[in-house]
Amino acid sequence: AQTVTQSQPEMSVQEAETVTLSCTYDTSENNYYLFWYKQPPSRQMILVIRQEAYKQQNATENRFSVNFQKAAKSFSLKISDSQLGDTAMYFCAFTDSNYQLIWGAGTKLIIKP
Amino acid sequence: NAGVTQTPKFQVLKTGQSMTLQCAQDMNHEYMSWYRQDPGMGLRLIHYSVGAGITDQGEVPNGYNVSRSTTEDFPLRLLSAAPSQTSVYFCASSRDYSTDTQYFGPGTRLTVL
Repeated sequence: AQTVTQSQPEMSVQEAETVTLSCTYDTSENNYYLFWYKQPPSRQMILVIRQEAYKQQNATENRFSVNFQKAAKSFSLKISDSQLGDTAMYFCAFTDSNYQLIWGAGTKLIIKP
Repeated sequence: NAGVTQTPKFQVLKTGQSMTLQCAQDMNHEYMSWYRQDPGMGLRLIHYSVGAGITDQGEVPNGYNVSRSTTEDFPLRLLSAAPSQTSVYFCASSRDYSTDTQYFGPGTRLTVL
């Protein structure tokens, strides 16, 4: 079965610190897409960053970057200069062989002032 | 540009009742999907559609029906509500399959007594 594992149920850091959220996945596919979505207390699900597996270069979006290790099936999210507004649940997801999204259980990230 | 809208935001049902959760998008997206989110779990796909007139089952389709008569609308019907269907329901759309960025609605919190 294709699965996504987020091993950190909850993390907290001080404002302005850097934090890394881990994600591992299991698939036998060679081409697929990986995502990090953010769900703040408002419950709205928002795309943070997207990575195409065939691209070796790690995706970046302003303060957000990923460390994509295809052989290790690892897709971690690094948030630099964390802000109070980054407090949210963060979900890792990837597309399976049927192009359906498989989701991890999420990591609750708390940014402390 | 409203994006993805869902109604209602909250709903309480009694066991055995039926209802329809509404979802609409104004971005002319072909791909639409319904997820449920339960505590401690990632999103799970209920049903999806790759275009008007085409629907298919996801991971957890039992107890739910969908239809896609127009590109804009993708309602989810609960046939006979059960307490196990207590959850938060999200509708999402994307330009093309789940490999593209998914845009989510605000969610519907459903409680079945």
